[in-house]
Amino acid sequence: EPEVTQTPSHQVTQMGQEVILRCVPISNHLYFYWYRQILGQKVEFLVSFYNNEISEKSEIFDDQFSVERPDGSNFTLKIRSTKLEDSAMYFCASSEWASGYYNEQFFGPGTRLTVL
Amino acid sequence: SQQGEEDPQALSIQEGENATMNCSYKTSINNLQWYRQNSGRGLVHLILIRSNEREKHSGRLRVTLDTSKKSSSLLITASRAADTASYFCATDAAGSGGGSEKLVFGKGTKLTVNP
Repeated sequence: EPEVTQTPSHQVTQMGQEVILRCVPISNHLYFYWYRQILGQKVEFLVSFYNNEISEKSEIFDDQFSVERPDGSNFTLKIRSTKLEDSAMYFCASSEWASGYYNEQFFGPGTRLTVL
Repeated sequence: SQQGEEDPQALSIQEGENATMNCSYKTSINNLQWYRQNSGRGLVHLILIRSNEREKHSGRLRVTLDTSKKSSSLLITASRAADTASYFCATDAAGSGGGSEKLVFGKGTKLTVNP
């Protein structure tokens, strides 16, 4: 069964460093998402991406964040200068369709980011 | 703002019993999805119910949706120890042009199934 994959599973970084989280969405999906979950809190939407551009982003997704689809399979989230409060589990998701009745989003296993 | 909120926050049952979790939300939706998360792991998609549907089944799962009350329930029948996990509902917003793509998650119900 096709699934979303993410690498690395755990990333430890120093405050102020840049990190890139990688995702491979399900191959026939066209819509891609990043969410995060701070320990003990809700899963929060960060950004959605379609046709090589951001289609929606949350207030969390500020100038420190960027997303890219560098090739036909990968989808990346970059945090330019990490802060302690960026420590969280980051989930990539993909869906075949966008909003409406068919927005069934499938999530990857997550990357646990620890900022020291 | 739109929110999915589950209750109870925690539920402990014996293997073989049924588990019922509820979710409430605030705004009109296109669909509501239920996910499972084992401790510290990824989100597993369980089921999607559309706003024009009232009930849906998948194996031991039964989901209902009442749009007039803005609520949904997830029933797991004949529970197993392996069902122990946190369960989340997630909604997307309805609106013109299809609404929003983002899913809004609740805090989840932590289910423990004792062998």
